[in-house]
Amino acid sequence: SFDLTQPPSVSVALGQTASLTCGGDNIKTKDVHWYQQKPGQAPLLVIYRDYNRPSGIPERFSGSKSGNTATLTISRPQAGDEADYFCQVWDSSTAWVFGGGTKLTVL
Amino acid sequence: QVQLVESGGGVVQPGRSLRLSCVASGFTFSAYGMHWVRQAPGKGLEWVAVIWYDGSDKYYADSVKGRFTVSKDNSKKTLSLHLNNLRVEDTAVYYCATTREPAAPLDHWGQGTLVTVSS
Repeated sequence: SFDLTQPPSVSVALGQTASLTCGGDNIKTKDVHWYQQKPGQAPLLVIYRDYNRPSGIPERFSGSKSGNTATLTISRPQAGDEADYFCQVWDSSTAWVFGGGTKLTVL
Repeated sequence: QVQLVESGGGVVQPGRSLRLSCVASGFTFSAYGMHWVRQAPGKGLEWVAVIWYDGSDKYYADSVKGRFTVSKDNSKKTLSLHLNNLRVEDTAVYYCATTREPAAPLDHWGQGTLVTVSS
């Protein structure tokens, strides 16, 4: 089966840059999507197909991919960006897969 | 704007059945595939099932295959998930979400409906 690995938690100071990683074998051949989920709310798509931002998502959210790791970068995160972040891909043999999620804390 | 409203959740005993619904508005429902994704309390997201825009293809996670059935009524703009032979580990919030094709993102999500399986 195909697995996506995310660190359980990431902390970042106000004004700094948060980098949330998502690792998986051969992830460079797959489209990676990122979702933000705040407590008690449904997930929200923030990055699709590696680096594209949906309408309404602030420019401080960006995505990239290198080797077997995709990264969601949040520049100068705000308190309101505190949330769980999940990466997701479609794998032809495993179907739709989510990473375990990363809890972002803004200090 | 896109709106997805799930309903049908509740408390049910192990081995019983439940039917969830997701009513769509604000977009051309018949042109979109639809996913069900669940989230157990305090846990991450788990993909459950998908049905293509015209209902021609359906796929299920191994954990629910043979027990859950997804269907789509384009005339009523309604997605359904029939949950049979429920287990305690099926306890979760169930979300419906839109998609265009397999590798596409899950663009829009409903607010979810809670299913609790307990004796």
